[in-house]
Amino acid sequence: SQTIHQWPATLVQPVGSPLSLECTVEGTSNPNLYWYRQAAGRGLQLLFYSVGIGQISSEVPQNLSASRPQDRQFILSSKKLLLSDSGFYLCAWSLESDTEAFFGQGTRLTVV
Amino acid sequence: GQNIDQPTEMTATEGAIVQINCTYQTSGFNGLFWYQQHAGEAPTFLSYNVLDGLEEKGRFSSFLSRSKGYSYLLLKELQMKDSASYLCAVRDLGYSTLTFGKGTMLLVSP
Repeated sequence: SQTIHQWPATLVQPVGSPLSLECTVEGTSNPNLYWYRQAAGRGLQLLFYSVGIGQISSEVPQNLSASRPQDRQFILSSKKLLLSDSGFYLCAWSLESDTEAFFGQGTRLTVV
Repeated sequence: GQNIDQPTEMTATEGAIVQINCTYQTSGFNGLFWYQQHAGEAPTFLSYNVLDGLEEKGRFSSFLSRSKGYSYLLLKELQMKDSASYLCAVRDLGYSTLTFGKGTMLLVSP
């Protein structure tokens, strides 16, 4: 069966510090991978998606970047965090031939 | 682009039936999804509609009208554990990304 791992679960970082959130998927090959952010009182906002190794599409201009160094690994990064980067970050995967997206457990990021 | 609207909050009583509506305007459509999200947790998949009509899965049902850009999630025999946020999401054509509404917070009271 397929599983998705996302870590860390919670993170408190000072403004201006770097960020690296990692997501890995097990039990499937060549998944579509996604990074979403959910700010307080707002819906899930798609940040990045990837259909293959090294292929990253950005949905909105951000202080963030994403990379996919391996087929089942998706990394969200920032060189310098802003207060507005605080939120709940969710990694998800889906298959082109399948329907729903499956979410990781999320990372609660607080920038102070 | 995509625009998805759903009510912000709803309240209902344990054992009752509640209907959560979702309307959408999209440039492309390849299915509508409903997810449940408890506070502080990840969303979990509830239902998927790509053709018009009603899909039933246990206590939960979802309806879609593509011509009207309208869907609803129907929850029957409400339980306290159904208190959560319910997210409506539309899948676009092409790379199959999901665009989510802001969610409807459902509070079930005794």
